[in-house]
Amino acid sequence: GAGVSQSPSNKVTEKGKDVELRCDPISGHTALYWYRQSLGQGLEFLIYFQGNSAPDKSGLPSDRFSAERTGGSVSTLTIQRTQQEDSAVYLCASSLGQAPKEAFFGQGTRLTVV
Amino acid sequence: QQQVKQSPQSLIVQKGGISIINCAYENTAFDYFPWYQQFPGKGPALLIAIRPDVSEKKEGRFTISFNKSAKQFSLHIMDSQPGDSATYFCAARPNQGGKLIFGQGTELSVKP
Repeated sequence: GAGVSQSPSNKVTEKGKDVELRCDPISGHTALYWYRQSLGQGLEFLIYFQGNSAPDKSGLPSDRFSAERTGGSVSTLTIQRTQQEDSAVYLCASSLGQAPKEAFFGQGTRLTVV
Repeated sequence: QQQVKQSPQSLIVQKGGISIINCAYENTAFDYFPWYQQFPGKGPALLIAIRPDVSEKKEGRFTISFNKSAKQFSLHIMDSQPGDSATYFCAARPNQGGKLIFGQGTELSVKP
């Protein structure tokens, strides 16, 4: 399909392990966002990539969280030494440049830390 | 800290009624205000959006009302249908940055 693709769709991991979440944006979209959605909560901004500019990392909750975007396309969000409070749905979105260009979201990765 | 506050947290409306969701923001340096709709197990999808130089925008049964002086904007769903049952998020984009700042979400249930 032509939408934003995230993998895996579900991930269960043990506390203390590292996890990698993948996002394949829509082809040609220069902007890519990561958000976190906890149960009953809104969408918490994590990180934003726009073209070749330095990413906006202001939303990353701790230094255990990092993200990269290779070749301006695929992005990987890495969480090191996972904690139970990291359990959430991690959503990726992409857009043609900055808003007001519409941001298209993937279906998310549901992460459960046990 | 730039914030967007959304209310109510949940809303129950009868079929055919009007659903109203409100948002308020605390910083004047926003230039784009979208509303997203999210069904269970799906990512949010853009529903309707407005710029601050417009006081109202209507698309079908969905209307955004924007009050710049009060720093408030709202979503009205006319003739609400059971298929509208979803979680709705308002959002705002700072002038200088591409990230969207989201409200806490409203879970709407439309009863037949």
